[in-house]
Order: sequence, then structure tokens, then C-alpha cells
Amino acid sequence: AAGVIQSPRHLIKEKRETATLKCYPIPRHDTVYWYQQGPGQDPQFLISFYEKMQSDKGSIPDRFSAQQFSDYHSELNMSSLELGDSALYFCASSLSVSSYEQYFGPGTRLTVT
Amino acid sequence: QKEVEQNSGPLSVPEGAIASLNCTYSDRGSQSFFWYRQYSGKSPELIMSIYSNGDKEDGRFTAQLNKASQYVSLLIRDSQPSDSATYLCAVNLPNNAGNMLTFGGGTRLMVKP
Repeated sequence: AAGVIQSPRHLIKEKRETATLKCYPIPRHDTVYWYQQGPGQDPQFLISFYEKMQSDKGSIPDRFSAQQFSDYHSELNMSSLELGDSALYFCASSLSVSSYEQYFGPGTRLTVT
Repeated sequence: QKEVEQNSGPLSVPEGAIASLNCTYSDRGSQSFFWYRQYSGKSPELIMSIYSNGDKEDGRFTAQLNKASQYVSLLIRDSQPSDSATYLCAVNLPNNAGNMLTFGGGTRLMVKP
């Protein structure tokens, strides 16, 4: 079965640079969630989109922004990167905003040097 | 008190035994509960969802929910070394924005051959 696709899988950036992470949800899934997972920590919710509109916002820094496009893929834009942004970034999708089962993509490992 | 709590482990069981993983949550109004398995450096994989009191079985996995006592558990029968991973309990808390998941910290399971 098709899964969530994320790109790139690995990304190395320097402090103060910008990064863009992409997420392609499972076909027919219209809700996308972004999570950040630091070493030894739980995934922390950042932001979610339903039908191309932001539906919820979590602990997302102001330096980060995201959007969902007409084909339902989503991009997370990160600016003025800091060392503390180094983490795994997961995208998850669900069949609709009323479906609670979220399926995670393989993640993007971001390293900020 | 954390909103969702798990014993971090490690929980060590011999191959073929039953592994019992527990999770408690703080908000009595919570309705949706999930168990994810996460191998080191990989993404969380949804293995069980449960919404009603009682047991839900899927292969070697059984999820148990007791809303009165505010706990949810996962039993893994005939544990295999390949089950060695971190198991994340996730709850959609009523005070959460939308469908964001709150995780419980995870329990590391080690199945010894």
C-alpha cells in the first residue's frame, strides 16, 4: 500500500540558513500533520492542514511556516535555522480531519551545523 | 503530571512470552487512543487504535482500554526479537487542538532470544 512520502530524507544545513521539507500524503488523505522529534524525545506536534487550510497549530516556532497545496502535498519552511532545530521531522496523514488514525512518513533528518 | 505517561523501561521479556505495556492519561474526556511502534531512527508505525472500553485484538496484539481508570495497555503475545522497539502510546486529548496526538514518552521493549 502507498505510504506517506517525505523528501529529502536527510538534510544538512548551517546556522541561519533556510530549509524546505516536503510531504506527500497517502492518496485520498486530505489532512496532513507535521511533528518534530528530538533525540530521545516524543514526537511534538507542529502544525496541521485540512483541505489546504491550516487546521491546528502546536509548538511551531515563528521562524517556521507551512502550507498545503491543491494536490494535498505540504511543505514545511524553516528559516534562520538554529542548532536546536536538528531533529527528525515527520509528516503524517489521515483520511480526513475526522479520522483520528495518523500514518507517519519516513521522516526527514535535519542536521544544523 | 504529564498528560500521557508510560514507563520508559526498558521492559525485558524472553522470546515467546507476553509483553505488557501500560499507559495512563490525565484527561477523563479523552476518546481516541493509539499504539505506535518505533524502531530506532525510524518513523512511528501505527499498530493499534482503540476507542471503546474493553479489548481489541489484532493478530498477536491486544489493546485494552479502561476509561474509568484512565489507562490503556498493549499486550504482545508470543514476543519475538523483532518486536524489540519503543512503543509509543498516543492520545487525542480533548483539550488538544483538533486531532493532534500527545505521546507518552514511549516504553522500550527488549525481547531476548
